[in-house]
Amino acid sequence: QQQVKQSPQSLIVQKGGISIINCAYENTAFDYFPWYQQFPGKGPALLIAIRPDVSEKKEGRFTISFNKSAKQFSLHIMDSQPGDSATYFCAASNGGSQGNLIFGKGTKLSVKP
Amino acid sequence: EPEVTQTPSHQVTQMGQEVILRCVPISNHLYFYWYRQILGQKVEFLVSFYNNEISEKSEIFDDQFSVERPDGSNFTLKIRSTKLEDSAMYFCASSEQVGRYEQYFGPGTRLTVT
Repeated sequence: QQQVKQSPQSLIVQKGGISIINCAYENTAFDYFPWYQQFPGKGPALLIAIRPDVSEKKEGRFTISFNKSAKQFSLHIMDSQPGDSATYFCAASNGGSQGNLIFGKGTKLSVKP
Repeated sequence: EPEVTQTPSHQVTQMGQEVILRCVPISNHLYFYWYRQILGQKVEFLVSFYNNEISEKSEIFDDQFSVERPDGSNFTLKIRSTKLEDSAMYFCASSEQVGRYEQYFGPGTRLTVT
């Protein structure tokens, strides 16, 4: 119940294309869903996050779509660029006083020029 | 822009030795976390810390692990007797306050146990 399932494990996209990464969860107590971007040898960097009271959030080229009934959320990267090549992790938390994050297994994105 | 810092960036130790990993969270943040990431795997929660005590800990955080905030700025993770399987990247994170969920991660400490 505490798991977050992420797919695909790896993704290759052409420059200018759309990258889509999907996540699913079981625990209905989760109420915060962030995406992190990680470059090799670096810490995860918060990219964008959503709460379940909205179905979509957009920041620049990055969009989270959230489907509460299906318990799924996804990251869309529009106009993907080679600089977007990184590993992306979805995560979930039930906030409250602790808020520890449960991470998916990650998606390695490669954007080809 | 404020950021979480961690030292050292790489620590090599022998099995059975004690290690202390150090973190300086963002200055106005009140919640502190340690996570670890074994090479090529997902990030895993270890422990959260608030108001000078542990808020929550995972199954990984056994009696070999301890955390401390020895002064107003540092937050440390101690592994008492390291094992080979403790080899991983250890990330410190912090968040601002109750109800603010955003966690900001440091660059990590790579721990290698030989």
